[in-house]
Amino acid sequence: NAGVTQTPKFQVLKTGQSMTLQCAQDMNHNSMYWYRQDPGMGLRLIYYSASEGTTDKGEVPNGYNVSRLNKREFSLRLESAAPSQTSVYFCASSEIYNEQFFGPGTRLTVL
Amino acid sequence: QKEVEQNSGPLSVPEGAIASLNCTYSDRGSQSFFWYRQYSGKSPELIMSIYSNGDKEDGRFTAQLNKASQYVSLLIRDSQPSDSATYLCAVYSGAGSYQLTFGKGTKLSVIP
Repeated sequence: NAGVTQTPKFQVLKTGQSMTLQCAQDMNHNSMYWYRQDPGMGLRLIYYSASEGTTDKGEVPNGYNVSRLNKREFSLRLESAAPSQTSVYFCASSEIYNEQFFGPGTRLTVL
Repeated sequence: QKEVEQNSGPLSVPEGAIASLNCTYSDRGSQSFFWYRQYSGKSPELIMSIYSNGDKEDGRFTAQLNKASQYVSLLIRDSQPSDSATYLCAVYSGAGSYQLTFGKGTKLSVIP
């Protein structure tokens, strides 16, 4: 039982490049989330998927897109990376209104 | 705008003492409350959840909830150096909200 897994763990991009962050969970949770964490800003919700087939914007969705591929997998795409997107990205999963469980994170640097 | 406020710290306590971490929230309709621990460079780890007024104990940790005053607290008894971390308070708002709002965290340092 791996819980929530994320790939890659680290990534360096140049401004304008694109990439997809992958997230998978094996806890059979319905809901999945993407957060970014920046110093002094705390955890901020980018997008979430309350259940398979649905996605909704969170607090900071600009510059990102998501895909809920199936119940297990939820990906985050940066179409044209900007230095302001340098951050640590966490994926999480939960049952609705219950505790969220986090993956190990992806540390992204955009030059 | 739903808000969750925490004192950023750092909060320093000697080993063996009780550490008290506090959190206030703005949405009176909030239903579920959580405490996460985050070590430097790691992901948040759930340590306590509380849903009704009063105290909930789990080992050395006690969560306290007072919905009338809109605060939730975490007490860590017999603090250990391994408890040194940032503690995040998180709140689900009322029914229909799938979003968990996090405070910015309180950094705890336990001095041997």
